[in-house]
Amino acid sequence: GESVGLHLPTLSVQEGDNSIINCAYSNSASDYFIWYKQESGKGPQFIIDIRSNMDKRQGQRVTVLLNKTVKHLSLQIAATQPGDSAVYFCAERLPYGQNFVFGPGTRLSVLP
Amino acid sequence: SQTIHQWPATLVQPVGSPLSLECTVEGTSNPNLYWYRQAAGRGLQLLFYSVGIGQISSEVPQNLSASRPQDRQFILSSKKLLLSDSGFYLCAWSVITSSGRSSYEQYFGPGTRLTVT
Repeated sequence: GESVGLHLPTLSVQEGDNSIINCAYSNSASDYFIWYKQESGKGPQFIIDIRSNMDKRQGQRVTVLLNKTVKHLSLQIAATQPGDSAVYFCAERLPYGQNFVFGPGTRLSVLP
Repeated sequence: SQTIHQWPATLVQPVGSPLSLECTVEGTSNPNLYWYRQAAGRGLQLLFYSVGIGQISSEVPQNLSASRPQDRQFILSSKKLLLSDSGFYLCAWSVITSSGRSSYEQYFGPGTRLTVT
């Protein structure tokens, strides 16, 4: 079935460096994408979203890039901090029904 | 503001026992409600969703069932738990747009950690 996947299951970065987490999605008609952050033992927390009519959106220290040509989504975190350590999920909203499809997640570890 | 509650936070149950997990949402009306399961190190698997009272859609054939007795209450149940039912269960809600589809963001509860022994 259709799915959202991630290129890297784990990512380790030095504190202060920038992080880039990648995601590939499979449904070219999906119209909305979300990045979530999930800390251990907690529910996912919304970070940033982007609609399919955009290719870039910026938040506080985070930027999401959407490349519809290759069906690729990325999350960039500037000046990564220890509090950024978590699992990050991307999700696509399918063009039908009520559903989002979530990727397996990337674990981000911030090294001191 | 809207809040979503789940309980219990953790649960250890023997194989063959029943299950009831509850989710309630405050501060919104007629939300879409979702149950997800997350196995260790895995992504979120949609189990059920509901667009209204008594309306349940099942995404994956399984040992579980869901009910929505009230607008902002969503219950996940099982008559007899299996070992494979262990996992982290998440409830979520979203706003329904005028077109009947979910609006953009889904809001998640804190989750219930279920261990079947």
